Amino acid sequence: AQSVTQPDIHITVSEGASLELRCNYSYGATPYLFWYVQSPGQGLQLLLKYFSGDTLVQGIKGFEAEFKRSQSSFNLRKPSVHWSDAAEYFCAVALSTDSWGKFQFGAGTQVVVTP
Amino acid sequence: EPEVTQTPSHQVTQMGQEVILRCVPISNHLYFYWYRQILGQKVEFLVSFYNNEISEKSEIFDDQFSVERPDGSNFTLKIRSTKLEDSAMYFCASSDELNNSPLHFGNGTRLTVT
Repeated sequence: AQSVTQPDIHITVSEGASLELRCNYSYGATPYLFWYVQSPGQGLQLLLKYFSGDTLVQGIKGFEAEFKRSQSSFNLRKPSVHWSDAAEYFCAVALSTDSWGKFQFGAGTQVVVTP
Repeated sequence: EPEVTQTPSHQVTQMGQEVILRCVPISNHLYFYWYRQILGQKVEFLVSFYNNEISEKSEIFDDQFSVERPDGSNFTLKIRSTKLEDSAMYFCASSDELNNSPLHFGNGTRLTVT
């Protein structure tokens, strides 16, 4: 069965330090991949997406993600976090164009930023 | 930047009551969705809607649920007879194309069934 796994439920990082959030998917073909962020009291905001082409994609707020087919991963990174990056981050997968909009989400990773 | 707006932000209802959650998608979008997130669990797809019809629905979306686009701007989710397990955050989303288009989500409505 298709699945999306975010192995880290909770990550604490110091302001200015680098951040990497892991996402693995289980699917027979290359899915369409997304990272969303949810700040407290807010909706899900799209950070970046991967459909095809360059496996390193740039997003908003200084985030980037790298698609690695061999590892079935799509990890999110930021070189230097800011206090405002404290939020919950969700990896999501669109499994096919036949069911567009039926995204499968990971369980989320809560990021805490310390001074 | 255009936004998806949802009202109310928090709805409390008694078990067995009907509830309607409202959403105003981005104005030029044609594809609409509802997702939900039970506390501590994953965000789950409920239903997709296009051209006044349900395109796809999940196994969660049973006969107690319905969606409607009553006018040119609103998109609603109705739960006919709420159960305790319907308590969740409900997210509306919209997109402007069918494929290769990210979903734009609203801030959600927290539904509490007592």
